[in-house]
Amino acid sequence: DAMVIQNPRYQVTQFGKPVTLSCSQTLNHNVMYWYQQKSSQAPKLLFHYYDKDFNNEADTPDNFQSRRPNTSFCFLDIRSPGLGDAAMYLCATSRGDSTDTQYFGPGTRLTVL
Amino acid sequence: DAKTTQPTSMDCAEGRAANLPCNHSTISGNEYVYWYRQIHSQGPQYIIHGLKNNETNEMASLIITEDRKSSTLILPHATLRDTAVYYCIGSGNKFYFGSGTKLNVKP
Repeated sequence: DAMVIQNPRYQVTQFGKPVTLSCSQTLNHNVMYWYQQKSSQAPKLLFHYYDKDFNNEADTPDNFQSRRPNTSFCFLDIRSPGLGDAAMYLCATSRGDSTDTQYFGPGTRLTVL
Repeated sequence: DAKTTQPTSMDCAEGRAANLPCNHSTISGNEYVYWYRQIHSQGPQYIIHGLKNNETNEMASLIITEDRKSSTLILPHATLRDTAVYYCIGSGNKFYFGSGTKLNVKP
C-alpha cells in the first residue's frame, strides 16, 4: 500500500545534541510537510516543500531545518534540541493541487534528556 | 486560511449518530473544509472534505451550510473505535489546526 513512513517511531536525544528525523513516501506526491505536536496540543505546521521549493512558517525557530534530497524523502534536522522541543513530529504529503488532501505518517515521538 | 471553532468535547452513545459542528465563518470562496481525526499517539487520519456541496463517503457525511460559514461532520453509527480528537480545517494548501473536538463514544 502507498503510504507515508516515518523512522524512527521513537527517538531519544540529549540536550543540545543534533538529531535528524526522516520521512519517506510511496505516494509520489509533490508536497511534503513537517508538523510539531506537543502534548495535548494540535499539530503545528513548521514548514513544507513543494517539489524542491522550501517554505518556512514565519514562527518556526531557526533551530529547525529541513532537507528534501528527492521526491520520496524529507528530513527534519533539529540542530540543538532543547527540552521544549520534546514533541511528536508528524510528516504529511499531498499532491499539491486544488483539493489538497494531506496524508499523515504515524509520527516520531522525540524525547530530549 | 480560515480560523475554525469547535466544541472542546462531546459525548455520544455507541451505535448512535455523532454530529460534530464546526464554525468557519472566515473561510474564503476557494478554501475546502477538511475533517481529520487523531486517535491517541497516531498521525491524523483523513475523513472527508468538501467545498460547497454535502459529501458522503464510507466513513462519514459532511453537511456544509449554504453560506459556508459552518459545517457538521456526521458519523452515522458511532463505535468505541471512533473515540478520538476530530479536527475541522478550512484550508487552501496549508493546514492550520484548531484545537479540535474530543469525541467520547460510550458503551
